[in-house]
Amino acid sequence: DAGITQSPRHKVTETGTPVTLRCHQTENHRYMYWYRQDPGHGLRLIHYSYGVKDTDKGEVSDGYSVSRSKTEDFLLTLESATSSQTSVYFCAISETPGEIEVYGYTFGSGTRLTVV
Amino acid sequence: AQSVTQLDSQVPVFEEAPVELRCNYSSSVSVYLFWYVQYPNQGLQLLLKYLSGSTLVESINGFEAEFNKSQTSFHLRKPSVHISDTAEYFCAVSGIYNFNKFYFGSGTKLNVKP
Repeated sequence: DAGITQSPRHKVTETGTPVTLRCHQTENHRYMYWYRQDPGHGLRLIHYSYGVKDTDKGEVSDGYSVSRSKTEDFLLTLESATSSQTSVYFCAISETPGEIEVYGYTFGSGTRLTVV
Repeated sequence: AQSVTQLDSQVPVFEEAPVELRCNYSSSVSVYLFWYVQYPNQGLQLLLKYLSGSTLVESINGFEAEFNKSQTSFHLRKPSVHISDTAEYFCAVSGIYNFNKFYFGSGTKLNVKP
């Protein structure tokens, strides 16, 4: 999607190794999010950020950490990957609903992570 | 917090038939409601949203959804579907006071058959 890029698009890694996924935006939006998508579960929020160095946990944050040192970049790190973290990871951005007519998420194209 | 229930995991339908995808939400505060569509191997795209005002909202490709506060529902409808509508559809909710968090349903796969 225009304005938001995820990298890598695909990754295969071994159990126990660290993995970092990157989300980059060019929209200067304040809020950034990491979700994971699994069959039957929809999208579940891992972590989100409401500004540089300001982050908070979502509903499935165990085993994940995040960092946001610049407005445009939001990194998701799996400190020691496990097979249960095999999933499709989506980054999303949003602005406050002050601009109410444009409020909503914009999603990246996703990163497919396989932990073997 | 809020939660969303999409009652149907899969909906098969023939081309040109009408379809309804059901969404119910739970919240103790007023909400914003959304439908997103995901085509195969792509990210989610915003289809339509209810923020305030008219309870019937429409998308540019013929979908509509109606916010029903008494039934806490936001069902998605289309009077005549096309093959190209085959996708997975997600209902989402955010509270108007904790608008920075969205909660998604588990998704409904719409399969349009010729």
